[in-house]
Amino acid sequence: DTGVSQNPRHKITKRGQNVTFRCDPISEHNRLYWYRQTLGQGPEFLTYFQNEAQLEKSRLLSDRFSAERPKGSFSTLEIQRTEQGDSAMYLCASSYGNNGYTFGSGTRLTVV
Amino acid sequence: QKEVEQDPGPLSVPEGAIVSLNCTYSNSAFQYFMWYRQYSRKGPELLMYTYSSGNKEDGRFTAQVDKSSKYISLFIRDSQPSDSATYLCACTGNQFYFGTGTSLTVIP
Repeated sequence: DTGVSQNPRHKITKRGQNVTFRCDPISEHNRLYWYRQTLGQGPEFLTYFQNEAQLEKSRLLSDRFSAERPKGSFSTLEIQRTEQGDSAMYLCASSYGNNGYTFGSGTRLTVV
Repeated sequence: QKEVEQDPGPLSVPEGAIVSLNCTYSNSAFQYFMWYRQYSRKGPELLMYTYSSGNKEDGRFTAQVDKSSKYISLFIRDSQPSDSATYLCACTGNQFYFGTGTSLTVIP
């Protein structure tokens, strides 16, 4: 297991298009988190799953954002009708309970 | 008030110096405290992880937590140019709350 894997690494999209990111957590980790990070800021929480259940969602997660973790393994984060303000690094992290909290390298989204 | 406050710096020190990075937090229910290092265009990398008040040492790094004053610190001894990065503190409830990060440059 090589850690948390995120794909794609970079995504450039036109405003109004939909994008989907994927996160593969460390295999034995039951929790999976999505964060967004903009330049000069720390990561901001978006949502987290325990197994397949989405337990918490931030107010930052507007109705254009949806996340799934259908089998309690990998997760997808979809952004519909992208806006320029969605440009950011989208980070995924996983943990087993409160242990081993590990980030992926992120997906950098640029909306033009 | 943000859950976690961190001075963004930037901080610039000569090689070999002792670096002190600090954060304050507002929620006394936070139980776990972490320091992450983030290089440019990379995801954060866990450096230190502590649960209780006190000190935890790992090589050149020492993490300190004072729950009574809601203050956490990271000390780097004998700093190296490779330590140049952004350092993020984080505290947990059900989710992780991050500081804004402190940008550190160690000058050879």
